[in-house]
Amino acid sequence: GDSVTQMEGPVTLSEEAFLTINCTYTATGYPSLFWYVQYPGEGLQLLLKATKADDKGSNKGFEATYRKETTSFHLEKGSVQVSDSAVYFCALIQGAQKLVFGQGTRLTINP
Amino acid sequence: DAGVTQSPTHLIKTRGQQVTLRCSPKSGHDTVSWYQQALGQGPQFIFQYYEEEERQRGNFPDRFSGHQFPNYSSELNVNALLLGDSALYLCASSQRGGSKNIQYFGAGTRLSVL
Repeated sequence: GDSVTQMEGPVTLSEEAFLTINCTYTATGYPSLFWYVQYPGEGLQLLLKATKADDKGSNKGFEATYRKETTSFHLEKGSVQVSDSAVYFCALIQGAQKLVFGQGTRLTINP
Repeated sequence: DAGVTQSPTHLIKTRGQQVTLRCSPKSGHDTVSWYQQALGQGPQFIFQYYEEEERQRGNFPDRFSGHQFPNYSSELNVNALLLGDSALYLCASSQRGGSKNIQYFGAGTRLSVL
């Protein structure tokens, strides 16, 4: 079945550092890919998405590019802030079906 | 425009009891999906409702059941609660068809089974 693998956390960075969270997927078709963010005590918020190969999703300074050749969708941000501290989930979906999530990566940004 | 709303926010039950969780989808959405998120894990798909019918189901036992109402709101029922059912239960809504497969999540219901 379809699956998503994220780099294991936790990840701890200093403010203004460069962020990369790796995500790779396995899917039989051509899924849409997402990054969701979960702040403490809250549900999931959609951060960005990409629906086909070579698409770049971006939002709030975060970016991720859908790489079909490497089946990857790595999340990047050039300069992180303390407010970016959260758990980040990579996910895929095919059609109107279920979302398949990675295990999540906890990010902590120190001032 | 209200987003996805879930109730209650927190719930404490004992083993063997039954629980009902509720979800109102985002305006304009007709599909509701339920997920279980255990502590420190990613959400796991339970089932999805569209046109008042269960359309797809994840690897969860029959103790987990649901319902969708004509106004698209939904309920998740869990019978014979086990300690392992303790988790954050997330509802997500979406609009079926075309490229509108983005799911928007509510804040969740945290269920504790003692």
